[in-house]
Amino acid sequence: KNEVEQSPQNLTAQEGEFITINCSYSVGISALHWLQQHPGGGIVSLFMLSSGKKKHGRLIATINIQEKHSSLHITASHPRDSAVYICAAHYGGATNKLIFGTGTLLAVQP
Amino acid sequence: KAGVTQTPRYLIKTRGQQVTLSCSPISGHRSVSWYQQTPGQGLQFLFEYFSETQRNKGNFPGRFSGRQFSNSRSEMNVSTLELGDSALYLCASSLGTTRSYEQYFGPGTRLTVT
Repeated sequence: KNEVEQSPQNLTAQEGEFITINCSYSVGISALHWLQQHPGGGIVSLFMLSSGKKKHGRLIATINIQEKHSSLHITASHPRDSAVYICAAHYGGATNKLIFGTGTLLAVQP
Repeated sequence: KAGVTQTPRYLIKTRGQQVTLSCSPISGHRSVSWYQQTPGQGLQFLFEYFSETQRNKGNFPGRFSGRQFSNSRSEMNVSTLELGDSALYLCASSLGTTRSYEQYFGPGTRLTVT
């Protein structure tokens, strides 16, 4: 059973739209990562959160520790944002092991 | 500072062969984690090495093994390759100390088993 759930699995948006991708996890974590992967490409780390909110350009990530939930928002979406977005939970302890969500395939149409 | 490098980037092997993949972490990072990505299973944790010791291991058969050298470079080995081992293999490096959870991913090695 995957301990990290993501939704939606697929998302199509028009350029300029505000996008939200959700991630929930089952037990307390030390950190939550948001990753981006373009088709055929490697993985880029966007954010690492343990509390609150982080912003980088048009990307915003939030986490609610009590509700065990995180969201990734993209404002003013652009076709170059088309990629797979993956959340990953770090459950702490003496390890860097990550548990991954199944990913959200985002397509932004011009 | 140079990023995480992986070699080779692409590899084609035949069933039954073995393969060794290499990962060089960011300078100063002591932890290297390996992950497998397949269309069916997504991203899965293989194992982590810290200061030349395996610190954690995922749920993979013993055909998958790894090691880490004193310069923190890591290798993973897959013996007796199966078709299902075709995947993108990613490594990630981090400082590895408590509360330093940031991981930096390499570009991956795409392995095709025929």
